[in-house]
Amino acid sequence: GAVVSQHPSRVICKSGTSVKIECRSLDFQATTMFWYRQFPKQSLMLMATSNEGSKATYEQGVEKDKFLINHASLTLSTLTVTSAHPEDSSFYICSAPGEDGYTFGSGTRLTVV
Amino acid sequence: AQSVTQLGSHVSVSEGALVLLRCNYSSSVPPYLFWYVQYPNQGLQLLLKYTTGATLVKGINGFEAEFKKSETSFHLTKPSAHMSDAAEYFCAVSPIGGYNKLIFGAGTRLAVHP
Repeated sequence: GAVVSQHPSRVICKSGTSVKIECRSLDFQATTMFWYRQFPKQSLMLMATSNEGSKATYEQGVEKDKFLINHASLTLSTLTVTSAHPEDSSFYICSAPGEDGYTFGSGTRLTVV
Repeated sequence: AQSVTQLGSHVSVSEGALVLLRCNYSSSVPPYLFWYVQYPNQGLQLLLKYTTGATLVKGINGFEAEFKKSETSFHLTKPSAHMSDAAEYFCAVSPIGGYNKLIFGAGTRLAVHP
């Protein structure tokens, strides 16, 4: 079946640095990728929708300059958390829609210290 | 506004007892509905989904859910709980139908005790 490979699974970074999270569709072409954030013991909140070859669409309240999303090819979408701060610590998950459902990445646990 | 409401942030049942996790949604068009399970520090696993057709949907691990349009509900049930069912469960809706962006409920943590 369809697989989305998400890396890294865990990352610890210092405050003020940037972190890139990658989601690759391994055996299908993902023209769209949804990016979610999940705070501890909370639900998943949609941050943005990326479409291959065009600008991402951000949900209300999400800073587009802080969370840079790039979808340069049909198999790769990236989320870069710029100038990370402790409040950005969260679980980030990508999801690609397909003909028969969604394929989720395994998630990235970001800890900013 | 489209939304998903999961009644009960925590549900506790005895092993072998019925599991009932409630989900209500709001949508102006026929939605696609989903239930996902999440184990600690892991991603999401699809339990079942409703898109069109039969309103009683059977999923993995003995779970099923029924789409009731008149009640705008999509409650998840399992006749007999196992210890391994202890996890976080999320109801999600694609409110405009199709596989578009999902709106997730707040989640229900299911505890199963001996």
